Amino acid sequence: AQSVTQLGSHVSVSEGALVLLRCNYSSSVPPYLFWYVQYPNQGLQLLLKYTTGATLVKGINGFEAEFKKSETSFHLTKPSAHMSDAAEYFCAVSGKSNTGKLIFGQGTTLQVKP
Amino acid sequence: DTGVSQDPRHKITKRGQNVTFRCDPISEHNRLYWYRQTLGQGPEFLTYFQNEAQLEKSRLLSDRFSAERPKGSFSTLEIQRTEQGDSAMYLCASSLVGLAEETQYFGPGTRLLVL
Repeated sequence: AQSVTQLGSHVSVSEGALVLLRCNYSSSVPPYLFWYVQYPNQGLQLLLKYTTGATLVKGINGFEAEFKKSETSFHLTKPSAHMSDAAEYFCAVSGKSNTGKLIFGQGTTLQVKP
Repeated sequence: DTGVSQDPRHKITKRGQNVTFRCDPISEHNRLYWYRQTLGQGPEFLTYFQNEAQLEKSRLLSDRFSAERPKGSFSTLEIQRTEQGDSAMYLCASSLVGLAEETQYFGPGTRLLVL
């Protein structure tokens, strides 16, 4: 069985500060890991994904995440927050199997203060 | 490439009525997924199709829910005898399964409110 835990349902940072959104996963098979962003009343947009290879993955809008197998973590970071980063962020896992369904965490709301 | 589209974007209905949602995937994507998202939660998997075949259904998908993808292109999700607990955002995603790792692209969702 697979699961995702996002630590902190709300994170607040000042504009220009470091963004760190935490994600831990559980998977019985080697995982694919994803971060999606959701703006109000919109669908989900893919930020980045880890499948194989380099454990530090870079995504859109200056975000990156590092896959740490030993810690079963896939934390999302951005060096300098921008007001436009305010949104809901979801971490998701899928197994390397024929079923590509995603298992999502509960989400983290990022607030960016001026 | 116009992305994944969903129709309608919003639906208000009375308890007991039937509703149907449509999803148009990215053209040539062979997989199509349906998820449900309730307020303050992450999306939950409902079902998925590969081409015309419905390959998996979640236990969340009660007998009142039915999904189809008749020609392997667009899909419909019908909810019969709606209940207030069906109020949620219904998200559709599509992907191309092939040599590269699968990535799901999401539509804007259909927000359902059952009164």
